[in-house]
Amino acid sequence: KAGVTQTPRYLIKTRGQQVTLSCSPISGHRSVSWYQQTPGQGLQFLFEYFSETQRNKGNFPGRFSGRQFSNSRSEMNVSTLELGDSALYLCASSFTGYGYTFGSGTRLTVV
Amino acid sequence: GQQLNQSPQSMFIQEGEDVSMNCTSSSIFNTWLWYKQDPGEGPVLLIALYKAGELTSNGRLTAQFGITRKDSFLNISASIPSDVGIYFCAGVFEFGNEKLTFGTGTRLTIIP
Repeated sequence: KAGVTQTPRYLIKTRGQQVTLSCSPISGHRSVSWYQQTPGQGLQFLFEYFSETQRNKGNFPGRFSGRQFSNSRSEMNVSTLELGDSALYLCASSFTGYGYTFGSGTRLTVV
Repeated sequence: GQQLNQSPQSMFIQEGEDVSMNCTSSSIFNTWLWYKQDPGEGPVLLIALYKAGELTSNGRLTAQFGITRKDSFLNISASIPSDVGIYFCAGVFEFGNEKLTFGTGTRLTIIP
């Protein structure tokens, strides 16, 4: 059974640019969540999608957005990148709502 | 953003020793999860706890859901080299509100 797949694994962007990260959940999982992990703030919840609808949103500025497609694949977008957006972005999927399975993450570096 | 208080922050132990770590919150949670993260990878679920007072084991790992619903504990018995990594607790408040609130992490190092 394939796990959660995140692409790309590594990304380097310049301040002011925008970026799109992709997440393919485990087959059959309809809930997809995104988290940001930094040394200073730890793991912080960004948002969660279920059946193409955003159900929950964390305390991040509007530059962070996401969407989910009918096949449950999800993307997150960060516009007008800032140096502080450098982080490991993790996607997690779930079938029952608990026990989320995480992907390996996308390491974003903003220079 | 909110993080749960996890202690200790780091541990240096010898192979074969037992390990204990805990996680506390000012708010109640209805589910507690324990994850392990290796460098460059995402967290991997170790144990899930769904009921206050519940004690659950997974091999050498044992975790408990505190009766106040504001804390949880993880014990690792007879540690081995592959136990090295960062351990995170995570709380979920309610089903349908699928937001994990993570702890600050405990870094486990095994001294040769």
